Amino acid sequence: TQLLEQSPQFLSIQEGENLTVYCNSSSVFSSLQWYRQEPGEGPVLLVTVVTGGEVKKLKRLTFQFGDARKDSSLHITAAQPGDTGLYLCAGAGDSNYQLIWGAGTKLIIKP
Amino acid sequence: NAGVTQTPKFQVLKTGQSMTLQCAQDMNHNSMYWYRQDPGMGLRLIYYSASEGTTDKGEVPNGYNVSRLNKREFSLRLESAAPSQTSVYFCASSIRVSNQPQHFGDGTRLSIL
Repeated sequence: TQLLEQSPQFLSIQEGENLTVYCNSSSVFSSLQWYRQEPGEGPVLLVTVVTGGEVKKLKRLTFQFGDARKDSSLHITAAQPGDTGLYLCAGAGDSNYQLIWGAGTKLIIKP
Repeated sequence: NAGVTQTPKFQVLKTGQSMTLQCAQDMNHNSMYWYRQDPGMGLRLIYYSASEGTTDKGEVPNGYNVSRLNKREFSLRLESAAPSQTSVYFCASSIRVSNQPQHFGDGTRLSIL
C-alpha cells in the first residue's frame, strides 16, 4: 500500500517568515500534485511535478520533486495571510485509477 | 464558469435515513470521483467513474452507492445513514483517470445524528 506522509501537520507563523512543508513516501510516484484548500471550499490544484529533481515556482511558492520521486517539498517565501489554508499533496502511483493523498498541512499565517 | 457543482451544501440526517448527494460538472470531463474528508485523514476515495457508463469502488465504498447518470452528473447515495458517515463529501472530475489534475466542488457537509 502506497502512503504519503505530510509534515508538519500544523504550522502557525508570522507574516513575512519563510516556511517549508514536506510530503514523503517510501514509494515511487510517477508524478505528484500539490493542492491548497481554503475553509469551506474544495482543494484547488497549485502545481504538478513529474520529473525527479524538478523545481517549479509559482510566485513566492517553490515546489520540488525529489530525485528518486519519493518525496516533495513546498517552500513559501515571505508568507502572507492569503497563504493560509490546508496544503495537500497527491501522488500518482501503482494504480492507474486513483491518486494517493496525504493528510495535509494546515498553515496559518498571522498578520 | 461553474466547474463542479455539488448540492446540497449542508444536510443533517437521522440514523437510518437515506439521501442522495448530487454532483454536476460542465468541463466535459470523462472521469468523476466521490471523496470523503475527515479531520486528520485527508481525502479518501469512495467511488469513481472512469467514463460514462462505468463505476468502480474506491478505498471506502461500504454504505454507499453511486450512479453516473450521464457524462455531466455523478450522484452518491447513502441508503441507511450511520453516524460514522458524518463527514464532508467532495465530488471531483478530471479529463480522464490516472494522474490528471482533479477539479473539486465545494463539498457537502453531512451530519448524521
